[in-house]
Amino acid sequence: NAGVTQTPKFRVLKTGQSMTLLCAQDMNHEYMYWYRQDPGMGLRLIHYSVGEGTTAKGEVPDGYNVSRLKKQNFLLGLESAAPSQTSVYFCASSYPLPGLATEDTQYFGPGTRLTVL
Amino acid sequence: DAKTTQPPSMDCAEGRAANLPCNHSTISGNEYVYWYRQIHSQGPQYIIHGLKNNETNEMASLIITEDRKSSTLILPHATLRDTAVYYCIVRVANKVTGGGNKLTFGTGTQLKVEL
Repeated sequence: NAGVTQTPKFRVLKTGQSMTLLCAQDMNHEYMYWYRQDPGMGLRLIHYSVGEGTTAKGEVPDGYNVSRLKKQNFLLGLESAAPSQTSVYFCASSYPLPGLATEDTQYFGPGTRLTVL
Repeated sequence: DAKTTQPPSMDCAEGRAANLPCNHSTISGNEYVYWYRQIHSQGPQYIIHGLKNNETNEMASLIITEDRKSSTLILPHATLRDTAVYYCIVRVANKVTGGGNKLTFGTGTQLKVEL
């Protein structure tokens, strides 16, 4: 049981290049999230998904797109990378059962460190 | 979700109890208090959560005041591996609206455990 995994761990891009970050979870969780964390700051939600085939915008969605074609995978895409997107990206998943807060615990991946030059 | 206030940093001697405070004076009746921590360069890790009763698990204890306006996370015997940023988050459990069940992270408390 690997939990939440993220690929790649590190990446350097040039301005204007595109890339896709992959998040995978093997816990059969319904909800998945993408956050970014900038130096000295807390995490901010980019996009999230409440189930296969559905996605929604979070606090800072501009410049990113996501897809949830399979329940276990949540992809984050950067179509034209900008230096402002230099950050550490974390994926999380949870399985909220109504009335059971315990089951709504979010489990995080190890992160992807992205630098855009 | 209610806003939280935490001290920016704290020190603790190894083996001693670490008591991390959190103020959440605007908390609503249906909002839970969650604690996560983030060890340097790693993803956040869930620690504990509670509504109004004190809670304990294998990692920590959570003490919530009777008026629920503040809480304290207690690590009973801190070790060097507990050095991390600790986040206190107040949110409605299973709130499936707007931002889903997003966690709103502030800047947390940097706990440094020393020999």
